[in-house]
Amino acid sequence: QVQLVQSGAEVKKPGSSVKVSCEASGDTFSRHVISWVRQTPGQGLEWMGGIIPSFGTTNYAQNFQGRVTITADESTKTAYMELSSLKSEDTAVYFCARGGRSAAALFWYFDYWGQGTLVTVSS
Amino acid sequence: DFQMTQSPSSLSASVGDRVTITCRASQGANNYLAWYQQRPGKVPKLLIYAASTLQSGVPSRFSGSRSGTDFTLTISSLQPEDVGTYYCQKYNSDPRVTFGPGTKVDIK
Repeated sequence: QVQLVQSGAEVKKPGSSVKVSCEASGDTFSRHVISWVRQTPGQGLEWMGGIIPSFGTTNYAQNFQGRVTITADESTKTAYMELSSLKSEDTAVYFCARGGRSAAALFWYFDYWGQGTLVTVSS
Repeated sequence: DFQMTQSPSSLSASVGDRVTITCRASQGANNYLAWYQQRPGKVPKLLIYAASTLQSGVPSRFSGSRSGTDFTLTISSLQPEDVGTYYCQKYNSDPRVTFGPGTKVDIK
């Protein structure tokens, strides 16, 4: 049974950073893409970036380049997303999600999702 | 810029109706398209990947198809538990992931 369990809600000041964690259980962590997707209040889904833990390779959405850092610790099956220079517009629910795979390829659609972490940015 | 459009943006249908949602990619000719359902206040749930492959455990009333750059999600007989927002997603492209804006579905 695959589960992704995220860290708890955060309240941050504008200009600060936030780091959200995502711990995987069940199936192999390293051999899948782990991505981060956010959802601002009442809005749609926005992809931020992802990592392939076994290779350590990352890929970021252009909108977040330079402001987001995604890392992974294979020993603890935990992925992290750090977002810096926070603005009020970054108030959102942040999800981690696991990518699909076949025997030969990794895919960036998401078959398992974390429960979401609410990050509130307010002075 | 790579864009995904979805239509309609919202719809209201009766229980038992056939519902169709369309997603168009601005470029790209492969089948790397997924559909998600997000019930109100819940986490997104994968319904279909590779344009037409039903994710394990998803009811068979959901189906997906492709014609050129147009992708379609069909609910053959709308049920009350299908209320929510549906998103298409292009993947394994450049950028790696692009979501459509969503289609809100409710019951008449």
